[in-house]
Amino acid sequence: AQSVTQPDIHITVSEGASLELRCNYSYGATPYLFWYVQSPGQGLQLLLKYFSGDTLVQGIKGFEAEFKRSQSSFNLRKPSVHWSDAAEYFCAVGAPSGYALNFGKGTSLLVTP
Amino acid sequence: KAGVTQTPRYLIKTRGQQVTLSCSPISGHRSVSWYQQTPGQGLQFLFEYFSETQRNKGNFPGRFSGRQFSNSRSEMNVSTLELGDSALYLCASSLAAGGSEAFFGQGTRLTVV
Repeated sequence: AQSVTQPDIHITVSEGASLELRCNYSYGATPYLFWYVQSPGQGLQLLLKYFSGDTLVQGIKGFEAEFKRSQSSFNLRKPSVHWSDAAEYFCAVGAPSGYALNFGKGTSLLVTP
Repeated sequence: KAGVTQTPRYLIKTRGQQVTLSCSPISGHRSVSWYQQTPGQGLQFLFEYFSETQRNKGNFPGRFSGRQFSNSRSEMNVSTLELGDSALYLCASSLAAGGSEAFFGQGTRLTVV
C-alpha cells in the first residue's frame, strides 16, 4: 500500500534562509509525486510534480524538489525563504489510473524576521 | 481557464441534519475527488467520480455519498450529521482518473453544532 511520511510537523526558518522539507514514500513502483501548499482556510495549490525523467524538478514560487529512488524520498527545497512562504506543505503520492492521491500529514512552516 | 469552484464556502448545521456540497471542476476535467481535512486526521480521501461513475471510495460510513453529473459537476452529501463531521471538505479536479495531477478548490468549511 502507498504511504507518505513527512517527518517534520513544524519547521521554523528565518527569512532569507534556505529551506528543505522532507518527504518519504512507500510504493511498489515509481509513483507520481507532488508537493502542495495550503494557506490557512484555503485549498491546496500544486507547487510541483514528478512523473518521470529528470529527478530534479522545478516548481512555482522558486521551489524545487529532488526524487531519490534509492532513498524513497522527494524533498522540497527553496534557497531563500520569504515571509509569504509561511504555510502548510503537503507531500502526496499517486499512480496513473491508480487509487487516489495519498497525502502526508503536512509540515507547518513558520518564517521569522 | 476557471479553477475548481466549491459552494458554499461556509456552512453551519445542526447534528442530525443533512448537507449537500457542490463542486464544479475545471472545464474538460472528468475526474472529481473529494477529501475531508481535519486537524487530527489530516487529508482523508472520501471518493472519486469519473465520467459519472464512482471509481473509488475511502473508508467512510455510508452517511457520506456523492454523485457526478454529465457536465462533470459533482455533489457530496452527508446525512445525519455528527459533531465529528466538522471539517474542511476539499474537491479536486483531474484530467485523468486515479492518482494523477489534481487541482483543488478552496474548500467548504462545515461546522456541525
